Amino acid sequence: QSAPTQPPSASGSPGQSVTISCTGTSSDVGTQNYVSWYQQYPGKAPKLIIYEVFKRPSGVPDRFSGSKSGNTASLTVSGLQAEDEAHYYCASHGVSKLFGGGTKLTVL
Amino acid sequence: EEQLVQSGGGLVQTGESLRLSCAASGFTFQTFWMTWIRQAPGKGLEWVAGMSPDGTYKQSVGGRLTISRDNAQNSLYLQINSLIADDTAMYFCARDSGYSRLDCWGQGTLITVSS
Repeated sequence: QSAPTQPPSASGSPGQSVTISCTGTSSDVGTQNYVSWYQQYPGKAPKLIIYEVFKRPSGVPDRFSGSKSGNTASLTVSGLQAEDEAHYYCASHGVSKLFGGGTKLTVL
Repeated sequence: EEQLVQSGGGLVQTGESLRLSCAASGFTFQTFWMTWIRQAPGKGLEWVAGMSPDGTYKQSVGGRLTISRDNAQNSLYLQINSLIADDTAMYFCARDSGYSRLDCWGQGTLITVSS
């Protein structure tokens, strides 16, 4: 299996919205709703921000939202804040996990 | 507080073996799947191993990596044999909830393989 594809970078100004895509295949992203998203700051462990396509863990701001269409899942960050500047990874879950290559989000 | 605290790692020579540990607290460890994820310097996340709550089912990316657990000690382990340069990475343990999310992560431990 090959990793889902994410754009290497994305950017937006404070207050804007940015969407990061995660494109897999009908065998992973497209076939089930076990897609999650992780936020990672440099030198830190990843943090779960979206699971099962659109669900948010307790404590994650509702500025973060997830969706899926066909073989592509998406993470939208609304009302960008400086603290949102980080790497974002999608993952498709089974017994093993397939992570996307990651997207560096820059807040301009 | 739900927590995973990792230990082990460090600078090792090519061909050596190493065991990483991950101690769980604040949740019922024996009821969760657990995983190991690694991240090479400047690279993305890579799943490397997973194990069922009772330890009867496990999967890993290669024969040199072995995942194990001790539910009595609330601990997860990763044994890596015959270390090679490509094993140089930060290794994270993580709790796998409902087969759908990694919702609790260790702080990470760095393995550097030197020739």
